[in-house]
Amino acid sequence: NAGVMQNPRHLVRRRGQEARLRCSPMKGHSHVYWYRQLPEEGLKFMVYLQKENIIDESGMPKERFSAEFPKEGPSILRIQQVVRGDSAAYFCASSPPSLGGSSDTQYFGPGTRLTVL
Amino acid sequence: AQSVSQHNHHVILSEAASLELGCNYSYGGTVNLFWYVQYPGQHLQLLLKYFSGDPLVKGIKGFEAEFIKSKFSFNLRKPSVQWSDTAEYFCAVHAGGTSYGKLTFGQGTILTVHP
Repeated sequence: NAGVMQNPRHLVRRRGQEARLRCSPMKGHSHVYWYRQLPEEGLKFMVYLQKENIIDESGMPKERFSAEFPKEGPSILRIQQVVRGDSAAYFCASSPPSLGGSSDTQYFGPGTRLTVL
Repeated sequence: AQSVSQHNHHVILSEAASLELGCNYSYGGTVNLFWYVQYPGQHLQLLLKYFSGDPLVKGIKGFEAEFIKSKFSFNLRKPSVQWSDTAEYFCAVHAGGTSYGKLTFGQGTILTVHP
């Protein structure tokens, strides 16, 4: 069973360009989370999605950032007009459907390291 | 809002030494607790988790953690570390008692084990 897949692994963009980060959850998983890790910091939650729905976007910056998880295909984190402060590692995690109300473990992908020049 | 604090940013040990990494969280309600490890060049992997029941949980590679509710702590331990344990360790909390939702992470602790 393949794990969570993210691509690209490394992405370089110039200021003002757009960055599109992709995440394919583990097979059978219907919940996707995005986290950002800035240098010398822990992971910070950004957004939680289920298929075609944004459940919690309380960690998303108000501007330039958006996320989707369409019915078909991977989840996409999109950053418009990137700035140097967007340089970070972006991690995706997925978890399986609910099992009687108990919390489930999130499984992480390898991350995308975004560098903004 | 909940927060997670890991006491040490960088811990340096010799092989066979005992390890304890501190983790405290601030949230008064039901929590689920996790320790993740990130080996150099690799992605986060789950070491162990606590949902309910026995507060002493055992994970992979000889690690264990104890949930002490009164102290809001979930410290990670290993009796004898190996060079291969060199990695960054993250404590994480899922708060609120719901089925799903965000994890709040600590800042991470870098463990360096010298042979």
